[in-house]
Amino acid sequence: GESVGLHLPTLSVQEGDNSIINCAYSNSASDYFIWYKQESGKGPQFIIDIRSNMDKRQGQRVTVLLNKTVKHLSLQIAATQPGDSAVYFCAEFSGGYQKVTFGTGTKLQVIP
Amino acid sequence: ETGVTQSPTHLIKTRGQQVTLRCSSQSGHNTVSWYQQALGQGPQFIFQYYREEENGRGNFPPRFSGLQFPNYSSELNVNALELDDSALYLCASSPDGSSTDTQYFGPGTRLTVL
Repeated sequence: GESVGLHLPTLSVQEGDNSIINCAYSNSASDYFIWYKQESGKGPQFIIDIRSNMDKRQGQRVTVLLNKTVKHLSLQIAATQPGDSAVYFCAEFSGGYQKVTFGTGTKLQVIP
Repeated sequence: ETGVTQSPTHLIKTRGQQVTLRCSSQSGHNTVSWYQQALGQGPQFIFQYYREEENGRGNFPPRFSGLQFPNYSSELNVNALELDDSALYLCASSPDGSSTDTQYFGPGTRLTVL
């Protein structure tokens, strides 16, 4: 498969623990954010999104927090499972998909 | 699976050559976007097509061009290949391209330029 995670920051988490992945975004005008998961050999997969008028959004086992003051986004994964092992990217949008900027990514390794 | 397919999966070219990469979107998805993902980095937006017209472009030179066809297939063409063009090329489709639509990514084509 693809070595998407080569040279990326790595977060190692024990199975069952919670994971927190952080992202600093660059554009204070960005109004929409998405977290993507990318497994080896696959394209990015949508996990959860949040608009700039919110500071928290919850999904199934995942929570995204947005702090516009410091331009910081985080993804929390509860009860991390081996299937969560992947590279995670945040993406910021400042005018639809034509104005998207992806972060550099974090590789999550789940230790069984 | 996302219902978005790309071909070929891997491709090796030499500098100066031209390449065509193909994408088949989900039926009914009028928007396709193309991204370049260098090893160890996030995807970079190349351009987007909506109903066969280009409607947005990232910071890529004109030698990167595209086509979208009525049957929900599309192409990315790169002329005069350079070593730095080596990357994973992703296409993603969505119904109308608005920021509220979920984009579905294909698995990508790995291009190596020697």
